[in-house]
Amino acid sequence: LAKTTQPISMDSYEGQEVNITCSHNNIATNDYITWYQQFPSQGPRFIIQGYKTKVTNEVASLFIPADRKSSTLSLPRVSLSDTAVYYCLVALSGGSYIPTFGRGTSLIVHP
Amino acid sequence: EADIYQTPRYLVIGTGKKITLECSQTMGHDKMYWYQQDPGMELHLIHYSYGVNSTEKGDLSSESTVSRIRTEHFPLTLESARPSHTSQYLCASSAKDRAGNTIYFGEGSWLTVV
Repeated sequence: LAKTTQPISMDSYEGQEVNITCSHNNIATNDYITWYQQFPSQGPRFIIQGYKTKVTNEVASLFIPADRKSSTLSLPRVSLSDTAVYYCLVALSGGSYIPTFGRGTSLIVHP
Repeated sequence: EADIYQTPRYLVIGTGKKITLECSQTMGHDKMYWYQQDPGMELHLIHYSYGVNSTEKGDLSSESTVSRIRTEHFPLTLESARPSHTSQYLCASSAKDRAGNTIYFGEGSWLTVV
């Protein structure tokens, strides 16, 4: 199971772009990278997933370099409502994977 | 949008009472999970299931028990609640999709034991 490392906390201001990097040095060939967002008193929710290069959706972008040993979640022009905890998970496609979330990155967006 | 439901959302019970937290999903997912999370703290996996009649303990030791008699139902039971069980309990399930195990969470059950 690939271990992930990400910053414990980050601060930003409204309108800025926020980049959160996750390290996963021992990622396996079949592993995908998934990011989740958790607001207080709610369960985490899926925001983006990728295998390599760049993935973009209406919420965020995910950048994965060629060696796949890290990934960066990019949130364009954050607002106060983006204040949340962000988790990076590296998931093996298939039967035996059991997700563990770790501490995630607590992002606080200031006015 | 995921279809996974937890009841009750909020519960206050007395010490020594038995409580069952219900979790149901309508997505046909084989894998289901229970996590425990205190405010501002890390999510801890306490139970999981690979499918019907499969239950396993997670990373965090818990006095709760679970059962999986039907694919869609994964209840968690505390036989004798204590104040130390006060926490948020989150149920989740995952799909074996192409990208591997996307996880869907319920809204959580807040348990307060007095």
